[in-house]
Amino acid sequence: NAGVTQTPKFQVLKTGQSMTLQCAQDMNHNSMYWYRQDPGMGLRLIYYSASEGTTDKGEVPNGYNVSRLNKREFSLRLESAAPSQTSVYFCASSVRTEGSPLHFGNGTRLTVT
Amino acid sequence: AQSVTQLDSQVPVFEEAPVELRCNYSSSVSVYLFWYVQYPNQGLQLLLKYLSGSTLVKGINGFEAEFNKSQTSFHLRKPSVHISDTAEYFCAVFYYNTDKLIFGTGTRLQVFP
Repeated sequence: NAGVTQTPKFQVLKTGQSMTLQCAQDMNHNSMYWYRQDPGMGLRLIYYSASEGTTDKGEVPNGYNVSRLNKREFSLRLESAAPSQTSVYFCASSVRTEGSPLHFGNGTRLTVT
Repeated sequence: AQSVTQLDSQVPVFEEAPVELRCNYSSSVSVYLFWYVQYPNQGLQLLLKYLSGSTLVKGINGFEAEFNKSQTSFHLRKPSVHISDTAEYFCAVFYYNTDKLIFGTGTRLQVFP
């Protein structure tokens, strides 16, 4: 099983450029999430989608937008990248939001210069 | 505020020695508790979880954790570590009352031969 697939694996952007990070899961999970991981800060939730058709802000949503395209796919868009958005981004999915274990993709390492 | 504390950012240990990775959380309200492991350049994988029942939880790769409600702790233990256990370990707590999953900042376990 592929589980959670993220593309691309690596990306370098210049300040002000835009890009979309893609995520797809094949486990028929209802809930999907985008996290960023920075050294010494653990994982911080950017946005989540409790179910198809809904999205909500997490802890650090500024500078990002999301789209839950269908039950399988949840994309994260950076409209105007900033150096502060240099990070490793993880997509995750779960059966539901209420305490189900998360299944993570392998991450996208983004550098903004 | 709800928070999860992993006091040790790094834990060095020799192979075959026992190890304990500490996790404390901020509130004694009802919670679900998780430990995740992250190997280099990978996403997080679920190691074990506590939802209810026995306070001693066994996980994959010989790890176990004990839920202590009075001390609001969920420490991870392994009686004899292997080189392959070298990774970063994250404690996560789901709080029922706010429907939020909070991650600790992680503990890097380094196992030396």
